Amino acid sequence: GAVVSQHPSWVICKSGTSVKIECRSLDFQATTMFWYRQFPKQSLMLMATSNEGSKATYEQGVEKDKFLINHASLTLSTLTVTSAHPEDSSFYICSAISGSAYNEQFFGPGTRLTVL
Amino acid sequence: AQTVTQSQPEMSVQEAETVTLSCTYDTSESDYYLFWYKQPPSRQMILVIRQEAYKQQNATENRFSVNFQKAAKSFSLKISDSQLGDAAMYFCAGGGADGLTFGKGTHLIIQP
Repeated sequence: GAVVSQHPSWVICKSGTSVKIECRSLDFQATTMFWYRQFPKQSLMLMATSNEGSKATYEQGVEKDKFLINHASLTLSTLTVTSAHPEDSSFYICSAISGSAYNEQFFGPGTRLTVL
Repeated sequence: AQTVTQSQPEMSVQEAETVTLSCTYDTSESDYYLFWYKQPPSRQMILVIRQEAYKQQNATENRFSVNFQKAAKSFSLKISDSQLGDAAMYFCAGGGADGLTFGKGTHLIIQP
């Protein structure tokens, strides 16, 4: 099946710094990528949808200036958490679909972010 | 789907027995998919089964099957012959090209 990777798998940073998380589709071209956030023992919440070469679409309540998303190529999307604070600590998961085949999203393994 | 509700925070079943996880949803879309995902302790999301809303026939994948009641907006998952490896969080989800909406999840415990 299609493989999606994320890097790093975990990161610890100081409050006020920025952190970049990469999401790559390894064996297919991802026309659309999604970013989700999962707090401990909670469900996944969609943060934003990104399409290659265009601006991301953010869900209501997600700060665009804090969570910068770039989908520069058909195999790479990045999420940058700017000026991170402890409340941004969470598990971030990306997923990708190929073309119009939205009957299945391929999920990355997730990135655990801890902000001190 | 715009809202997805899982009303069972935790379920327990004896190994080799059958268990059913409940899910209801609400959506204004006419074309959508419904999914069940498994999330083990590794937190990797694993697709268990999917159902296309326009198909009346219930999806089946080996020991996993769904009971899709479109009029009632219900989408339950039945796991037959439960195995220890089935222990995990199970999330019901719905949506399409605009991303997925997930339920709060059901923690499935398998008792040996």
